[in-house]
Amino acid sequence: EPEVTQTPSHQVTQMGQEVILRCVPISNHLYFYWYRQILGQKVEFLVSFYNNEISEKSEIFDDQFSVERPDGSNFTLKIRSTKLEDSAMYFCASSLGGPRQPQHFGDGTRLSIL
Amino acid sequence: GESVGLHLPTLSVQEGDNSIINCAYSNSASDYFIWYKQESGKGPQFIIDIRSNMDKRQGQRVTVLLNKTVKHLSLQIAATQPGDSAVYFCAENMRNDKIIFGKGTRLHILP
Repeated sequence: EPEVTQTPSHQVTQMGQEVILRCVPISNHLYFYWYRQILGQKVEFLVSFYNNEISEKSEIFDDQFSVERPDGSNFTLKIRSTKLEDSAMYFCASSLGGPRQPQHFGDGTRLSIL
Repeated sequence: GESVGLHLPTLSVQEGDNSIINCAYSNSASDYFIWYKQESGKGPQFIIDIRSNMDKRQGQRVTVLLNKTVKHLSLQIAATQPGDSAVYFCAENMRNDKIIFGKGTRLHILP
């Protein structure tokens, strides 16, 4: 069964550094998402992306965040100047036809900011 | 405001019994609801969804009930098995490209 893959599984970065989290969504999916989950807490929506542009974003997704689909397969989340509070699990998801169809999640990247 | 939450953070159920996980939502504009299962070290996994024009939907061993009058959603798991141990999240959508997750209930299966 096709799956969403995320790399790396764990990223350790110094505060203030830039980090790029990578995702390969399911190949025929058209909608892409990033979520984050602080340890022991709920999953928080960050951004949705469709047709090469952001379709929705949350208050968390401020100017330090950006997303890109640089080629036909990768979907990336960049955090420009990381803060301690950015430490979390970051999940990528994709769906065939929008959020009202099942979203398939990757297993996440654990981001640790030192 | 936006708020999807769960009544209990932890639920313990005897293996073989039925599990009922509850969720309350506060936004009347939400019209699509989803249940996700998250096992340790994994991403959320879609279980079942329901639209607001329905009050019940059944899948394999799972049933979702929606009560719009009291803004309540529940997930019933029949004949709970050890593999059902996980955190369960309800989530909602309001006709936009955003899914709002609730806080999660950890389901423990007792032998």
